Amino acid sequence: DIQMTQSPASLSASLEEIVTITCQASQDIGNWLAWYQQKPGKSPQLLIHSATSLADGIPSRFSGSRSGTQYSLKISRLQVEDTGIYYCLQRYSNPWTFGGGTKLELK
Amino acid sequence: QVQLKESGPGLVQPSQTLSLTCTVSGLSLTSNSVSWIRQPPGKGLEWMGVIWSNGGTDYNSAIKSRLSISRDTSKSQVFLKMNSLQTEDTAMYFCARMGITTVYWGQGVMVTVSS
Repeated sequence: DIQMTQSPASLSASLEEIVTITCQASQDIGNWLAWYQQKPGKSPQLLIHSATSLADGIPSRFSGSRSGTQYSLKISRLQVEDTGIYYCLQRYSNPWTFGGGTKLELK
Repeated sequence: QVQLKESGPGLVQPSQTLSLTCTVSGLSLTSNSVSWIRQPPGKGLEWMGVIWSNGGTDYNSAIKSRLSISRDTSKSQVFLKMNSLQTEDTAMYFCARMGITTVYWGQGVMVTVSS
């Protein structure tokens, strides 16, 4: 199975700050990587698909990038509504696997 | 609009079988896949398996021996059955249409495994 190692596990940042979350895949997954945001008591919401493509309706302050088998989610100017837990997901091969999650809080 | 809604028992006894239903509206199961994902309280997400638009299935190898996913296209329903439940199977269970560019999730159903 492909392992997705996500870091950091938790993060505290200030309003307007730049935030970066990373996922390291244990093998090549191409661009089969998505990022999700989950709010408490809610289902996850798709932010980024295909490693770098913004999902419909998602603010442009979110962006995704790839360097080899390392994938990053960047929030360019943190807003209050961006708090929550973020997960990466690889769907290159079965079983699809999620990263362990990053809990993002406001400082 | 597209909706997915999970239903099933909130409480299951250890060693018993869990049966959940995902009722889908706004999209055809013969053109769309549906996945099941679960999330233990306070923990991360685990993809359990998928039933593809052609009716084929793929399962997470960690639970493959206990899991079965099926569907009734005439009723727009997808079913999950998992046997030999243990306390560590306590989780929120979600069904979702996980397209590449568009994703729809149900609200989830909480399942507690306890005697």
